[in-house]
Amino acid sequence: DTGVSQNPRHKITKRGQNVTFRCDPISEHNRLYWYRQTLGQGPEFLTYFQNEAQLEKSRLLSDRFSAERPKGSFSTLEIQRTEQGDSAMYLCASSLLQGLDGYTFGSGTRLTVV
Amino acid sequence: DQQVKQNSPSLSVQEGRISILNCDYTNSMFDYFLWYKKYPAEGPTFLISISSIKDKNEDGRFTVFLNKSAKHLSLHIVPSQPGDSAVYFCAASSLGSQGNLIFGKGTKLSVKP
Repeated sequence: DTGVSQNPRHKITKRGQNVTFRCDPISEHNRLYWYRQTLGQGPEFLTYFQNEAQLEKSRLLSDRFSAERPKGSFSTLEIQRTEQGDSAMYLCASSLLQGLDGYTFGSGTRLTVV
Repeated sequence: DQQVKQNSPSLSVQEGRISILNCDYTNSMFDYFLWYKKYPAEGPTFLISISSIKDKNEDGRFTVFLNKSAKHLSLHIVPSQPGDSAVYFCAASSLGSQGNLIFGKGTKLSVKP
């Protein structure tokens, strides 16, 4: 297993365009998380899935954001009508159901909205 | 309102000496604390954790201390090595939160040879 994989690594888009990111978690991990990190800040929780069910969403996740995990494996995060304030590193992480010893994070997708 | 605070944006230490990174929290519901290390262009990597029922947890060169009454935790690295140079994030969780972590802003540690 190569860990948590995120694609693309970098994305530059024009304001108003839609973007979609993909995350492939560690195969046996039940839980999948999305976080966002802006410059000078720590990661901020966006949403998480247990298998295919989206169980919690942060108030940071506006209605322009949608996340899916259709078969309980990979996940996608879509941002519609991107704004410059969406520019950030989007991090995906996965863990076992009862995994309290930290998540395994991917390397992230860096989004730049111009 | 930051629930997890790392008040030192940076720390510089000589190789072989002790590095002490500090973290304060405000939410008394937090009962699990973690430290992550992050290199540039990589995601954070889990380092060490501590439950609120303990006051110390040790793993090799890394020790985390928890002072619940002060709502303070610290990470000690002894001896520090140049490869430890990275950004260190403190994170906290409560078991009822389903594992969602609240992160501090991070402290950039530089270990000089």
